[in-house]
Order: sequence, then C-alpha cells, then structure tokens
Amino acid sequence: DQQVKQNSPSLSVQEGRISILNCDYTNSMFDYFLWYKKYPAEGPTFLISISSIKDKNEDGRFTVFLNKSAKHLSLHIVPSQPGDSAVYFCAARGGGADGLTFGKGTHLIIQP
Amino acid sequence: EAGVAQSPRYKIIEKRQSVAFWCNPISGHATLYWYQQILGQGPKLLIQFQNNGVVDDSQLPKDRFSAERLKGVDSTLKIQPAKLEDSAVYLCASSLEDFSPLHFGNGTRLTVT
Repeated sequence: DQQVKQNSPSLSVQEGRISILNCDYTNSMFDYFLWYKKYPAEGPTFLISISSIKDKNEDGRFTVFLNKSAKHLSLHIVPSQPGDSAVYFCAARGGGADGLTFGKGTHLIIQP
Repeated sequence: EAGVAQSPRYKIIEKRQSVAFWCNPISGHATLYWYQQILGQGPKLLIQFQNNGVVDDSQLPKDRFSAERLKGVDSTLKIQPAKLEDSAVYLCASSLEDFSPLHFGNGTRLTVT
C-alpha cells in the first residue's frame, strides 16, 4: 500500500520553462513533506520542505505547494536549467513514524 | 562539513552468503537511518537509531537483517543469508535532530547472484 504516490515516472521540460512535479499522499497523519533530488550513483540530496501548517514554501527557483484537502503537493522549478535533470523524490513524515516515506520518484529531463 | 560516508560502494555476492555495510554519519548527528532502494522504487526505511538506541525497526526483516550503532556514531548493517531479492542500493542517512532534513550517503549497491 503506497502512502506517497508520484504517478509520473518521467517528465520532459524545455530549458527555461516551468517544471511541475506532482505528489499525492493517502495518510492524513503526515505533517511534514520534503522533496529530494537524486543524481545517478549519488544519494538523494535535500531540496525543499513544507510543514502541514503552511500551503507554500519558496526557496529561489524552487517552490513547493501543499493542498491538504486534496492530499496533494507539487514542486515548481522556474526557470528550469539543464542541471535540474535528475530523479525527484517526494517524501513525507508523520503518522506515528519518524522516518520518511518516499514516493517512487519522477525522472525530470530538461531539454536544451 | 563532511557528508555521510558509506562503504563499500559496490558489492557482489552469491545467494546465501553474508554481507556487511558500514556507515559513518555526519559528526554530531544523533539520528541515523538505513534505507533500502530497489531499482525503480523509492527508498524504504529499514531501521532508525537515536544515538545508539533503536527507534523503529518495524520494516527490518529480522530473520536475516541486523544492524547496530556502535557508541552512537558508526553503524553497520548485515545481511545473513542474502537472497536474490536483497539486490538493491542500501542508503545510510543521518539528521541532527527530529524533523530536520536527512542527509544521505552515496549508498552501497548490492548485487546478489
């Protein structure tokens, strides 16, 4: 039973345009959400997070939006750059567990 | 600051053999995690330590997997005996405190033949 779902295995976006990565969750007890970025042969690196008491958090080119009623969050990257090409994981914490629950990831490809 | 160190980077073993992975977290990080990432999946938590005590090992297959954290710093994860389905990347992560982001090592890629 997947509690964190990333339904798009891959996404291709032109350089300079906006990239939007989506994530859905089922556990209403999750109270903290994170996005991680992963390059091949490296571990995931933390990108941005949001608490369930907020609906938006922005850090430079990266913005995360949280819609609690829809149990949905999204990561916006504007403008997209070639170095953004990576696998992006959505993760959630809460529901009685301290560890993170991850989605399967979305492979973002930035086209020149 | 130095990142999370893991060794070895790669390991190939035959089924029914044993294997051990080592992790050195970021200095001062009290919480340490081991995750298993099977190809095409997201990382799955195996075990979480707070200092040298186990916080959560509910998803650790205890009949074959074991882990310890020596003196609240380094940690080892062992598999004995290995099965084909254990082929995965094993990621170690640490965090300064609860609710702070996890910092991951580069992982150990295990192939069981």
